[in-house]
Amino acid sequence: DAGVIQSPRHEVTEMGQEVTLRCKPISGHNSLFWYRQTMMRGLELLIYFNNNVPIDDSGMPEDRFSAKMPNASFSTLKIQPSEPRDSAVYFCASSLGRDPNEQFFGPGTRLTVL
Amino acid sequence: AQTVTQSQPEMSVQEAETVTLSCTYDTSESNYYLFWYKQPPSRQMILVIRQEAYKQQNATENRFSVNFQKAAKSFSLKISDSQLGDTAMYFCAFRPATSGTYKYIFGTGTRLKVLA
Repeated sequence: DAGVIQSPRHEVTEMGQEVTLRCKPISGHNSLFWYRQTMMRGLELLIYFNNNVPIDDSGMPEDRFSAKMPNASFSTLKIQPSEPRDSAVYFCASSLGRDPNEQFFGPGTRLTVL
Repeated sequence: AQTVTQSQPEMSVQEAETVTLSCTYDTSESNYYLFWYKQPPSRQMILVIRQEAYKQQNATENRFSVNFQKAAKSFSLKISDSQLGDTAMYFCAFRPATSGTYKYIFGTGTRLKVLA
């Protein structure tokens, strides 16, 4: 079974541009998580969905960030407009949504905003 | 507030030796789950081991085992017979078993280097 798939693996963009990160969770998983990892702040949960519904978006930094999950097999994280401080590795993870609810991570997208 | 603390930012160990990474947490919950994740230089986050708080027996996965002390709120990871491939960042994570709560709380990580 394929794991969590993220695309692109690397993204380099210029400040002010729109960036869209994509995630395909493991089939059958109904919880999906977006994380951001930086040296300064470590691993931060941005938002998570359960059954395609956003449950907790308290970690989303500001209005420039938005996330959607239109169906059980796809989610996007969008940054518009992007800023250099958004440079980080963004991880998507999915889980079954029931105990113990182990999260399985994708390979991450390394975003660089120039 | 629930917190997870990893007090060792960096550690090193000789190949074939044993190393223990520490993790403490703070919670008022009585039932919860604890996890150790490994992040090698490839940056892929890999689940190493899991412990349910209601189980007294310490979890073991091959060379990886935990020392779970519920009263002390301690959850250390022991790696036996360390291998070069164990070089990675290790994160401790906590999740309360409260229904509908699926968020993890992660520690800041311990960078482990296995020396040849």
